[in-house]
Amino acid sequence: QSVLTQPPSMSAAPGQKVTISCSGSNSNIGNNYVSWYQQVPGTAPKLLIYDNDRRPSGIPDRFSGSKSGASAILDITGLQTGDGANYYCLTWDDNFYAGVFGGGTKLTVL
Amino acid sequence: EVQLVQSGAEVKKPGESLKISCQGFGYRFGGWWIGWVRQTPGKGLEWMGVIYPDDSDTKYSPSFRGQVTISADKSTNTAYLQWNSLKASDSGMFYCARLSPSGAYRWFDYWGQGTPVTVSS
Repeated sequence: QSVLTQPPSMSAAPGQKVTISCSGSNSNIGNNYVSWYQQVPGTAPKLLIYDNDRRPSGIPDRFSGSKSGASAILDITGLQTGDGANYYCLTWDDNFYAGVFGGGTKLTVL
Repeated sequence: EVQLVQSGAEVKKPGESLKISCQGFGYRFGGWWIGWVRQTPGKGLEWMGVIYPDDSDTKYSPSFRGQVTISADKSTNTAYLQWNSLKASDSGMFYCARLSPSGAYRWFDYWGQGTPVTVSS
């Protein structure tokens, strides 16, 4: 059971928008930066968003992130079938003095 | 180009020891934290611990402290993850990943290809 809570699964049609949430507490998301990763099964995770809302070069602007209080969200607009993957949030936890991942969200693009 | 290249798949018996590796290319290895992440079948990602190769400062998740040892060799640009006595529950896919920005550990920007470890009698 992760200290960061994500919905286990979500689904949406191509072209639509989806919002994936990551809920934590003041000791983790509330006081630290959040990053997001996309993992296609059988491959290594890939960085999508860092420092809450910044995109690495090469990541389309269809992907965006934000943080408010002890929660963060990843928005994906104009869904494509290739966006079907697992998505994870990551932040630092001041109590554990370690990083923590969310439990992951499996996104299905129907 | 930054690359992290991990050692190959391992099959071990309970009680055996194991050390897997992650070699960095294309950047100054010593100046960036390197982390290890576990993924068990059908499960999510777990942050195990990180090391700063320049001074070997290491931080472990409470879930993995005492269960594994993370080390690094600056001379070969290699980080290691070690078990002294494996259990079946240690099986999984293990990724190394570089933390950014340099000298800090806010996000993983580059990942190794993963090392699958199977522990079975």
